[in-house]
Amino acid sequence: DGGITQSPKYLFRKEGQNVTLSCEQNLNHDAMYWYRQDPGQGLRLIYYSQIVNDFQKGDIAEGYSVSREKKESFPLTVTSAQKNPTAFYLCASSLLTSTNEKLFFGSGTQLSVL
Amino acid sequence: GENVEQHPSTLSVQEGDSAVIKCTYSDSASNYFPWYKQELGKRPQLIIDIRSNVGEKKDQRIAVTLNKTAKHFSLHITETQPEDSAVYFCAASNPGTSGSARQLTFGSGTQLTVLP
Repeated sequence: DGGITQSPKYLFRKEGQNVTLSCEQNLNHDAMYWYRQDPGQGLRLIYYSQIVNDFQKGDIAEGYSVSREKKESFPLTVTSAQKNPTAFYLCASSLLTSTNEKLFFGSGTQLSVL
Repeated sequence: GENVEQHPSTLSVQEGDSAVIKCTYSDSASNYFPWYKQELGKRPQLIIDIRSNVGEKKDQRIAVTLNKTAKHFSLHITETQPEDSAVYFCAASNPGTSGSARQLTFGSGTQLTVLP
């Protein structure tokens, strides 16, 4: 599980500011995902990517943006358009095989608004 | 889209007793149902999963059952231990296209507390 790293662990955002959360994996996984976790709720998919330079919106993509310039990296930007950004953000990766679909999660980033 | 409901939201059991967590899903096309465990302050980890071509799967003290007709699946933990205390999430996804990433829909989670 140490193969996927998120940083920073804690992040604070000011009004009108964009912030970027980092996610790096050395598992050689093709797919990477960003989830948002709010208290009392399950994990909700923000964006996912199956291949370099390609990504798709999840269920709650509004106010977020991503890039996938390298296989190992999938940063998430929380833009000023996201009006309720305070949450715990989890990055994950997986193989793209029909027999092994286990998600490997990072340790998460707690984002708070100042 | 898929909707997954999970019950109960909290569950307390005595050490050694069994615990059961239930989930229902809405999309009859869903065919993959994993369970993730998240201990306090740690990342979620897969503990067991089941596909729609089987009705039950066991791994030591953990089992998952699936009822496709009723569209529900359950996690069973026997002989619970204090280290089983965690939040458990169920999830469901449909096949999508071959080689494509799964879009998992998660339940809201169950906080399991095993009392010594």
